[in-house]
Amino acid sequence: GNSVTQMEGPVTLSEEAFLTINCTYTATGYPSLFWYVQYPGEGLQLLLKATKADDKGSNKGFEATYRKETTSFHLEKGSVQVSDSAVYFCALSDPPSGAGSYQLTFGKGTKLSVIP
Amino acid sequence: ETGVTQTPRHLVMGMTNKKSLKCEQHLGHNAMYWYKQSAKKPLELMFVYSLEERVENNSVPSRFSPECPNSSHLFLHLHTLQPEDSALYLCASSHLGDRGRFGGYTFGSGTRLTVV
Repeated sequence: GNSVTQMEGPVTLSEEAFLTINCTYTATGYPSLFWYVQYPGEGLQLLLKATKADDKGSNKGFEATYRKETTSFHLEKGSVQVSDSAVYFCALSDPPSGAGSYQLTFGKGTKLSVIP
Repeated sequence: ETGVTQTPRHLVMGMTNKKSLKCEQHLGHNAMYWYKQSAKKPLELMFVYSLEERVENNSVPSRFSPECPNSSHLFLHLHTLQPEDSALYLCASSHLGDRGRFGGYTFGSGTRLTVV
């Protein structure tokens, strides 16, 4: 079955440091790929997505490129802020089941702490 | 209201109690989902409803009973739970997105459930 592997956390960075969170996947077919972010006490929010190979998703300074040849979707940000402290989840979409429903397979999440 | 709203935000219940979690979406989405988030474990898909019909039940114990009376509302009825059922329960909704491509989930903020 499909699976997502994320780098183990926690990751602690100083403000303005460069961030990379690695994500690799195993999937059949051509899934869409996602990064979600979860701030303390909240649900998950969609951060960015890519729907086909070589697509680059970007939002709020974060970027990730869908690399089919390496089955990767690494999250990067050039200069992190304290407000970026959260848990980040990589996910892929399973083939559709039922009328219009899709299941997401999530990684275990990577906790990021940014210190001033 | 917009987005996905979950109530209550926090719930403490005894093992013999019966309670219900509620989820409401105002996004016009056609599928809704229940996920369980436990510490140090990947998100677990519990139930999927598409067009108000259940399309997936990932071997969830019968003490969890979902209900989807219409496309905007989703419930999770709880009875005779165990302490290990304590977790964050997340509701999500989705639609197909641009040109039939899956656009990802929109999550609610979750219900923090503690079983005592």
